[in-house]
Amino acid sequence: ETGVTQTPRHLVMGMTNKKSLKCEQHLGHNAMYWYKQSAKKPLELMFVYSLEERVENNSVPSRFSPECPNSSHLFLHLHTLQPEDSALYLCASSPGGSGTGELFFGEGSRLTVL
Amino acid sequence: DAKTTQPPSMDCAEGRAANLPCNHSTISGNEYVYWYRQIHSQGPQYIIHGLKNNETNEMASLIITEDRKSSTLILPHATLRDTAVYYCIVKPGNNRKLIWGLGTSLAVNP
Repeated sequence: ETGVTQTPRHLVMGMTNKKSLKCEQHLGHNAMYWYKQSAKKPLELMFVYSLEERVENNSVPSRFSPECPNSSHLFLHLHTLQPEDSALYLCASSPGGSGTGELFFGEGSRLTVL
Repeated sequence: DAKTTQPPSMDCAEGRAANLPCNHSTISGNEYVYWYRQIHSQGPQYIIHGLKNNETNEMASLIITEDRKSSTLILPHATLRDTAVYYCIVKPGNNRKLIWGLGTSLAVNP
């Protein structure tokens, strides 16, 4: 248990579906992150929230829409995805703001787009 | 692009020390060295980090060369549960971004 919980663990969706990934952290951290991990590729940072404000958006397509309603919850809303978006999506949190390199990751949501 | 170079895979016998090397020859003075590992089907787990001095915690030891161009992560008594991909990352002290590479896949064998 890392204190970061992601749901669902597995998701299969069609290209026209709308779904959401949820992340919850129980660590009292101030920063939360979304990462994408595709097969045979390094982790890619997608979004960073610090104190509920988005501070980084790494040229992610608009079909991915993050939401951070409070410092404990983070969502990734998905719509009209492409098959190449199939990947493991990882949520992380960090103490002391988003400048630290010590991240606590959830177990990830495995997404398959048909 | 990742600023570190790691061997793609390594083997280690259970109970022996696992020494995982990392080259970061272009590291800057304000960049830290971080190590993470990722066990299959799980998210990455933070292990340790350092700037210039050697560091030790309950999981591992980090040895950084004097010129800071390379480092070694040491798992003193590897167990089967240490089988994972180990990532070496350099990060500026004032930057939130971790640049991940493909890491070293460590197999601990009985």
